[in-house]
Amino acid sequence: EPEVTQTPSHQVTQMGQEVILRCVPISNHLYFYWYRQILGQKVEFLVSFYNNEISEKSEIFDDQFSVERPDGSNFTLKIRSTKLEDSAMYFCASSGDSGGSDTQYFGPGTRLTVL
Amino acid sequence: QKEVEQNSGPLSVPEGAIASLNCTYSDRGSQSFFWYRQYSGKSPELIMFIYSNGDKEDGRFTAQLNKASQYVSLLIRDSQPSDSATYLCAVAMDSSYKLIFGSGTRLLVRP
Repeated sequence: EPEVTQTPSHQVTQMGQEVILRCVPISNHLYFYWYRQILGQKVEFLVSFYNNEISEKSEIFDDQFSVERPDGSNFTLKIRSTKLEDSAMYFCASSGDSGGSDTQYFGPGTRLTVL
Repeated sequence: QKEVEQNSGPLSVPEGAIASLNCTYSDRGSQSFFWYRQYSGKSPELIMFIYSNGDKEDGRFTAQLNKASQYVSLLIRDSQPSDSATYLCAVAMDSSYKLIFGSGTRLLVRP
């Protein structure tokens, strides 16, 4: 069964450093998403991406964040200058061709620890 | 502010019983409703989705939607210890791509 994959599974970084989290969505999906979950809190939407551009973003997704689909398979989330409060699980998700009402499948997540 | 509310639990049921998990949402524009299961330290795993009022059954799981009451529930029949997890309710509007998650209900199934 096709699945979303993410690398790395755990990333430790120093405050102020840049990190790139990588995702390979399900191959025939067209919509890609990033969510995050701070320990003990809700899963929160960050951004959605369709047709090589951002389709929606939350207020969390400020200028420190960017997304890119550098090739036909990878989808990346970059945090330019990490803060302590960026420590969280980051989940990539993808869905088919019906946008937000279509089912989103989640990857295993990247645990980001900012020291 | 669009909200999705769930009782945090834990909901404790004996093995073989029916577990009933509930969720309310604030925005009447919500169109799609999802139940995800999340084991500790893992990612959300889709259990069921429902778009129309009424019941939808899939194996031991039944999702129920009442748009007038802005209420969605998940019933798990013949609960197993392996069902012990946090169950997340998520809602999407037709005009939006994002899922809005509740805080989840922790389910414990006692052997």
